[in-house]
Amino acid sequence: EAAVTQSPRNKVTVTGGNVTLSCRQTNSHNYMYWYRQDTGHGLRLIHYSYGAGNLQIGDVPDGYKATRTTQEDFFLLLELASPSQTSLYFCASSDHNTEVFFGKGTRLTVV
Amino acid sequence: GQQVQQSPASLVLQEGENAELQCNFSSTATQLQWFYQRPGGSLVSLLYNPSGTKHTGRLTSTTVTKERRSSLHISSSQITDSGTYFCAALFNTGNYKYVFGAGTRLKVIA
Repeated sequence: EAAVTQSPRNKVTVTGGNVTLSCRQTNSHNYMYWYRQDTGHGLRLIHYSYGAGNLQIGDVPDGYKATRTTQEDFFLLLELASPSQTSLYFCASSDHNTEVFFGKGTRLTVV
Repeated sequence: GQQVQQSPASLVLQEGENAELQCNFSSTATQLQWFYQRPGGSLVSLLYNPSGTKHTGRLTSTTVTKERRSSLHISSSQITDSGTYFCAALFNTGNYKYVFGAGTRLKVIA
Protein backbone atom coordinates (compact mmCIF):
# COMPACT_ATOMS: atom_id res chain seq x y z
CA GLU A 1 0.00 0.00 0.00
CA ALA A 2 1.15 3.51 -0.83
CA ALA A 3 2.78 5.13 2.18
CA VAL A 4 4.11 8.53 3.22
CA THR A 5 5.82 8.74 6.59
CA GLN A 6 6.58 11.99 8.36
CA SER A 7 8.84 12.55 11.33
CA PRO A 8 8.69 13.85 13.92
CA ARG A 9 4.96 13.91 14.54
CA ASN A 10 5.31 16.70 17.05
CA LYS A 11 8.06 19.25 17.57
CA VAL A 12 8.54 22.22 19.87
CA THR A 13 11.38 24.64 19.22
CA VAL A 14 12.40 28.11 20.27
CA THR A 15 12.36 31.23 18.16
CA GLY A 16 15.53 31.33 16.08
CA GLY A 17 16.08 27.61 16.32
CA ASN A 18 16.75 25.18 13.47
CA VAL A 19 14.20 22.55 12.58
CA THR A 20 14.21 19.79 9.98
CA LEU A 21 11.03 17.95 9.10
CA SER A 22 11.46 14.63 7.31
CA CYS A 23 9.29 12.82 4.83
CA ARG A 24 9.75 9.45 3.17
CA GLN A 25 7.50 7.88 0.55
CA THR A 26 7.49 4.28 -0.64
CA ASN A 27 5.16 4.91 -3.58
CA SER A 28 7.88 5.34 -6.22
CA HIS A 29 6.28 8.68 -7.04
CA ASN A 30 8.17 11.42 -8.77
CA TYR A 31 6.43 14.33 -7.04
CA MET A 32 6.66 15.22 -3.37
CA TYR A 33 5.10 18.21 -1.64
CA TRP A 34 5.25 20.12 1.63
CA TYR A 35 2.12 21.95 2.80
CA ARG A 36 1.25 23.91 5.89
CA GLN A 37 -2.21 24.16 7.38
CA ASP A 38 -3.40 26.93 9.66
CA THR A 39 -6.77 27.61 11.21
CA GLY A 40 -9.01 29.31 8.68
CA HIS A 41 -6.90 28.22 5.73
CA GLY A 42 -6.78 25.15 3.59
CA LEU A 43 -3.47 23.53 2.81
CA ARG A 44 -0.94 25.93 1.35
CA LEU A 45 1.95 24.68 -0.74
CA ILE A 46 5.41 25.56 0.56
CA HIS A 47 7.77 23.67 -1.76
CA TYR A 48 7.60 20.69 -4.05
CA SER A 49 9.90 18.53 -6.10
CA TYR A 50 9.69 16.26 -9.12
CA GLY A 51 12.78 14.22 -8.42
CA ALA A 52 16.01 13.90 -6.52
CA GLY A 53 17.93 17.16 -6.56
CA ASN A 54 14.97 19.14 -7.88
CA LEU A 55 13.14 21.87 -5.97
CA GLN A 56 10.17 23.99 -7.01
CA ILE A 57 8.88 26.99 -5.11
CA GLY A 58 5.31 26.80 -3.92
CA ASP A 59 2.89 29.50 -2.88
CA VAL A 60 4.18 30.31 0.64
CA PRO A 61 7.95 29.62 0.51
CA ASP A 62 9.29 32.47 2.66
CA GLY A 63 11.31 31.25 5.64
CA TYR A 64 11.55 27.68 4.35
CA LYS A 65 14.13 25.67 2.49
CA ALA A 66 13.68 22.17 1.20
CA THR A 67 15.86 19.45 -0.17
CA ARG A 68 15.05 16.25 -2.07
CA THR A 69 17.96 13.93 -1.45
CA THR A 70 16.54 10.80 -3.09
CA GLN A 71 13.33 9.84 -4.82
CA GLU A 72 12.05 8.68 -1.44
CA ASP A 73 13.17 11.50 0.88
CA PHE A 74 12.09 15.13 1.04
CA PHE A 75 13.11 17.45 3.87
CA LEU A 76 11.74 20.80 4.99
CA LEU A 77 14.18 23.10 6.76
CA LEU A 78 13.44 26.05 8.99
CA GLU A 79 16.77 27.70 9.73
CA LEU A 80 15.54 30.57 11.90
CA ALA A 81 12.18 29.45 13.17
CA SER A 82 9.62 32.11 14.03
CA PRO A 83 6.30 31.86 15.91
CA SER A 84 4.49 32.53 12.61
CA GLN A 85 5.72 29.11 11.46
CA THR A 86 3.76 27.35 14.17
CA SER A 87 1.52 25.16 12.09
CA LEU A 88 0.49 21.68 11.05
CA TYR A 89 2.75 20.45 8.23
CA PHE A 90 1.84 17.79 5.73
CA CYS A 91 4.00 15.95 3.25
CA ALA A 92 2.54 14.25 0.20
CA SER A 93 3.55 12.33 -2.90
CA SER A 94 1.99 11.77 -6.30
CA ASP A 95 2.67 11.37 -9.98
CA HIS A 96 1.13 13.46 -12.73
CA ASN A 97 -1.52 10.83 -13.37
CA THR A 98 -2.22 9.53 -9.88
CA GLU A 99 -4.00 10.56 -6.75
CA VAL A 100 -2.01 12.25 -4.01
CA PHE A 101 -1.08 10.43 -0.81
CA PHE A 102 -0.49 12.24 2.47
CA GLY A 103 1.50 11.63 5.61
CA LYS A 104 -0.16 11.98 9.01
CA GLY A 105 1.26 15.46 9.61
CA THR A 106 3.80 17.12 11.88
CA ARG A 107 2.62 19.61 14.47
CA LEU A 108 5.31 22.28 14.94
CA THR A 109 5.21 24.82 17.73
CA VAL A 110 7.68 27.69 17.84
CA VAL A 111 7.77 29.38 21.24
CA GLY B 1 -2.72 31.38 -11.13
CA GLN B 2 -4.27 28.13 -10.19
CA GLN B 3 -7.13 28.53 -7.76
CA VAL B 4 -9.63 26.19 -6.22
CA GLN B 5 -12.85 27.57 -4.77
CA GLN B 6 -15.15 25.59 -2.51
CA SER B 7 -18.69 26.32 -1.49
CA PRO B 8 -20.37 26.64 0.83
CA ALA B 9 -17.74 27.63 3.37
CA SER B 10 -19.77 26.03 6.12
CA LEU B 11 -22.89 23.95 6.42
CA VAL B 12 -25.08 22.71 9.26
CA LEU B 13 -27.33 19.73 8.68
CA GLN B 14 -29.72 17.69 10.72
CA GLU B 15 -28.85 14.05 10.87
CA GLY B 16 -30.29 12.23 7.88
CA GLU B 17 -30.23 15.21 5.52
CA ASN B 18 -28.18 15.22 2.34
CA ALA B 19 -25.30 17.59 1.56
CA GLU B 20 -23.96 18.90 -1.72
CA LEU B 21 -20.45 20.37 -1.68
CA GLN B 22 -19.05 22.23 -4.65
CA CYS B 23 -15.52 22.68 -5.98
CA ASN B 24 -14.58 24.99 -8.86
CA PHE B 25 -11.09 25.36 -10.25
CA SER B 26 -9.59 28.17 -12.25
CA SER B 27 -7.96 26.34 -15.15
CA THR B 28 -7.90 22.88 -16.59
CA ALA B 29 -6.97 20.39 -13.92
CA THR B 30 -5.91 16.88 -14.76
CA GLN B 31 -6.79 15.24 -11.44
CA LEU B 32 -9.36 15.97 -8.74
CA GLN B 33 -9.54 14.47 -5.27
CA TRP B 34 -11.76 14.92 -2.23
CA PHE B 35 -10.47 14.73 1.34
CA TYR B 36 -11.96 14.72 4.83
CA GLN B 37 -10.36 16.04 8.00
CA ARG B 38 -11.38 16.23 11.64
CA PRO B 39 -10.07 19.33 13.48
CA GLY B 40 -6.30 19.01 13.80
CA GLY B 41 -6.40 15.54 12.33
CA SER B 42 -4.94 13.73 9.39
CA LEU B 43 -6.30 14.01 5.87
CA VAL B 44 -8.41 11.09 4.74
CA SER B 45 -8.78 10.55 1.03
CA LEU B 46 -12.45 10.07 0.18
CA LEU B 47 -12.62 9.91 -3.58
CA TYR B 48 -10.16 10.29 -6.40
CA ASN B 49 -12.23 11.48 -9.33
CA PRO B 50 -10.51 13.12 -12.30
CA SER B 51 -13.69 12.91 -14.37
CA GLY B 52 -17.15 11.39 -14.39
CA THR B 53 -19.03 10.03 -11.41
CA LYS B 54 -17.68 7.85 -8.65
CA HIS B 55 -19.28 6.37 -5.54
CA THR B 56 -18.13 5.03 -2.25
CA GLY B 57 -20.60 4.24 0.51
CA ARG B 58 -22.81 7.30 1.04
CA LEU B 59 -20.52 9.53 -1.03
CA THR B 60 -20.89 10.40 -4.71
CA SER B 61 -18.55 12.68 -6.62
CA THR B 62 -19.17 14.10 -10.08
CA THR B 63 -16.38 15.91 -11.91
CA VAL B 64 -16.89 17.77 -15.18
CA THR B 65 -13.36 18.78 -16.10
CA LYS B 66 -14.19 20.94 -19.12
CA GLU B 67 -16.59 22.95 -16.92
CA ARG B 68 -13.94 23.15 -14.18
CA ARG B 69 -16.16 21.82 -11.44
CA SER B 70 -16.63 18.88 -9.13
CA SER B 71 -19.24 18.08 -6.51
CA LEU B 72 -19.39 15.79 -3.50
CA HIS B 73 -22.79 14.52 -2.44
CA ILE B 74 -23.20 13.07 1.04
CA SER B 75 -26.41 11.16 1.51
CA SER B 76 -28.15 10.49 4.83
CA SER B 77 -25.65 12.51 6.84
CA GLN B 78 -24.49 11.24 10.22
CA ILE B 79 -23.05 13.08 13.20
CA THR B 80 -19.73 11.39 12.53
CA ASP B 81 -19.59 13.08 9.10
CA SER B 82 -18.86 16.37 10.87
CA GLY B 83 -15.52 17.87 9.92
CA THR B 84 -13.96 19.70 7.00
CA TYR B 85 -14.07 18.55 3.41
CA PHE B 86 -11.39 19.65 0.98
CA CYS B 87 -11.03 19.29 -2.73
CA ALA B 88 -7.62 19.32 -4.37
CA ALA B 89 -6.89 19.78 -8.07
CA LEU B 90 -3.69 18.91 -9.91
CA PHE B 91 -2.48 21.59 -12.30
CA ASN B 92 0.15 21.32 -14.99
CA THR B 93 2.28 24.44 -14.70
CA GLY B 94 5.21 22.95 -16.53
CA ASN B 95 5.47 20.89 -13.38
CA TYR B 96 2.55 19.30 -11.61
CA LYS B 97 1.22 20.63 -8.33
CA TYR B 98 -1.82 19.93 -6.23
CA VAL B 99 -3.72 23.01 -5.06
CA PHE B 100 -6.32 22.86 -2.30
CA GLY B 101 -9.51 24.74 -1.73
CA ALA B 102 -10.18 26.37 1.64
CA GLY B 103 -12.60 23.63 2.60
CA THR B 104 -16.25 23.24 3.59
CA ARG B 105 -16.87 22.85 7.33
CA LEU B 106 -19.75 20.48 7.89
CA LYS B 107 -21.57 20.09 11.18
CA VAL B 108 -24.24 17.44 11.52
CA ILE B 109 -26.55 17.77 14.51
CA ALA B 110 -29.05 15.36 16.04
